[in-house]
Amino acid sequence: SQELEQSPQSLIVQEGKNLTINCTSSKTLYGLYWYKQKYGEGLIFLMMLQKGGEEKSHEKITAKLDEKKQQSSLHITASQPSHAGIYLCGADGGAQKLVFGQGTRLTINP
Amino acid sequence: KAGVTQTPRYLIKTRGQQVTLSCSPISGHRSVSWYQQTPGQGLQFLFEYFSETQRNKGNFPGRFSGRQFSNSRSEMNVSTLELGDSALYLCASSSRTQGFYEQYFGPGTRLTVT
Repeated sequence: SQELEQSPQSLIVQEGKNLTINCTSSKTLYGLYWYKQKYGEGLIFLMMLQKGGEEKSHEKITAKLDEKKQQSSLHITASQPSHAGIYLCGADGGAQKLVFGQGTRLTINP
Repeated sequence: KAGVTQTPRYLIKTRGQQVTLSCSPISGHRSVSWYQQTPGQGLQFLFEYFSETQRNKGNFPGRFSGRQFSNSRSEMNVSTLELGDSALYLCASSSRTQGFYEQYFGPGTRLTVT
């Protein structure tokens, strides 16, 4: 079965700094989702990447999909306190189910 | 459009009891999936319903069951609760019937079993 590994597991950055979160799959990635979760709350859909080499941006968040490396990266530019939370990558696990990474906890220090 | 809603938001139950959680999908969405999130296991797929039919089920014991109504609202039931069932239960809805699609999640129901 497919497994997703995120790195780092936890990240503390100073406000205004850039950061990158990686998601590596144990199998070929045919598509990938990125979600954000505030502690104890539901997941907020950020982006969906479907093709190798695809890159999408939303406000200051950019995600890329590298099919050859079976990897996706999420990059935040000029981080703000509102970016704090848990970032999860998810992949199509077949049969209408999503498989998720363990999450990356992001803390932004003012 | 209103988002996915889940009720109740918080629930405390005693071991051995049963519980029913409810999920109302985004209007027009016919697929509803349920996930369990715990600190140790992360997010795990429970089951998915489409047009009142369960299409897929995750690796959970038979104590976990669900159903979907004709208006696409879904319920999940956990019988004979165990301490390990304490978790955040999330439901997600989607408008697509198959293939790569966006799932939108509700705020979750936090279940505590004592």
